[in-house]
Amino acid sequence: DAKTTQPTSMDCAEGRAANLPCNHSTISGNEYVYWYRQIHSQGPQYIIHGLKNNETNEMASLIITEDRKSSTLILPHATLRDTAVYYCIVRVDGGNQFYFGTGTSLTVIP
Amino acid sequence: NAGVMQNPRHLVRRRGQEARLRCSPMKGHSHVYWYRQLPEEGLKFMVYLQKENIIDESGMPKERFSAEFPKEGPSILRIQQVVRGDSAAYFCASSPYGGQGKPQHFGDGTRLSIL
Repeated sequence: DAKTTQPTSMDCAEGRAANLPCNHSTISGNEYVYWYRQIHSQGPQYIIHGLKNNETNEMASLIITEDRKSSTLILPHATLRDTAVYYCIVRVDGGNQFYFGTGTSLTVIP
Repeated sequence: NAGVMQNPRHLVRRRGQEARLRCSPMKGHSHVYWYRQLPEEGLKFMVYLQKENIIDESGMPKERFSAEFPKEGPSILRIQQVVRGDSAAYFCASSPYGGQGKPQHFGDGTRLSIL
């Protein structure tokens, strides 16, 4: 199902950058990479998405390797409120659904 | 998650009753997706609808579950004769169209508990 591989869990010190990796070695040319996060008991929150270029918005930066086989989500200054499960998703070309997998549980430590 | 509205937030039903979950997409969005999340698991796709049409129901259980998105009003996920295994969080998402490059925006879900 999921076309991505992420570490199960990560810790990050408050105020430091959190770098969350994702492997998507079977990604095809038209498929985007999306990042969401889910804080306990809430719905998934959209963070950022990209195709081949690096992207930045008010929440995060997305770095996609040149061969597009992996990417990194960067939260530049992690806060305690960034503690959540982060999902890296590649939407299957022509498909309608997102495969959420198990994501990375990020804990920001004071 | 402002924009996609789901209600109720919590729903309790006894076995054998019917559950109706409602979803109003973001303004300007005509594509709706339903997902189910069991405890300690990721979200699983159920169904994708556009106004008055079911586009993809490959994730829907074959019996007791149905979904609609009428021309007017919210999308409805209906579960008939609920069983304990239906206890889960049900999330709705919407997008302006269904192609690549447009993220889906999620509501805060309905937590269904079956007694």
